[in-house]
Amino acid sequence: QKEVEQNSGPLSVPEGAIASLNCTYSDRGSQSFFWYRQYSGKSPELIMFIYSNGDKEDGRFTAQLNKASQYVSLLIRDSQPSDSATYLCAGNTGNQFYFGTGTSLTVIP
Amino acid sequence: DTAVSQTPKYLVTQMGNDKSIKCEQNLGHDTMYWYKQDSKKFLKIMFSYNNKELIINETVPNRFSPKSPDKAHLNLHINSLELGDSAVYFCASSQTHNTGELFFGEGSRLTVL
Repeated sequence: QKEVEQNSGPLSVPEGAIASLNCTYSDRGSQSFFWYRQYSGKSPELIMFIYSNGDKEDGRFTAQLNKASQYVSLLIRDSQPSDSATYLCAGNTGNQFYFGTGTSLTVIP
Repeated sequence: DTAVSQTPKYLVTQMGNDKSIKCEQNLGHDTMYWYKQDSKKFLKIMFSYNNKELIINETVPNRFSPKSPDKAHLNLHINSLELGDSAVYFCASSQTHNTGELFFGEGSRLTVL
């Protein structure tokens, strides 16, 4: 069983729209969650992390965590073509980081 | 200064050969990792070392042998390479094994012919 599941997409949104990326996890012991962005041919880079239930905002990005339902989401407001990338959701169980399979996002100008 | 650096960036080799990838981090982190990313972008944990001690060894063929001479270095040696070993291998580090974010190296693309 995969610890972290994501819809692989591809997800396409027009420029300026809100992109919504979702992730579910199986281990209730997971303590923290991370969203990474990975451009083609590059290494993953951290976008946001969240530890507590609720929303966390950073610029155009909002991470949401619902521990009761075991899901994490990332909202990207005012999507830009430069946001086109694969977004990886990761959880930390207290011992290691587990990644989802990633969601490919394309923002259409 | 690159926080997590790994070399080489590209390896092209024949089946049956042996190859090594080196990784160094200058962040003062305690924990280092090797991940394998396949063509579908799935990042799979292979090994994790905390202060030079192996703490995670996922189901990986014993042809793969990690070595951590000190907490700033984690190398990966692969014996008898197979076609299925072709992938991008990422080194990463974190402050500890259960805190902080992962910082990734640039990746080493291994192609086995």
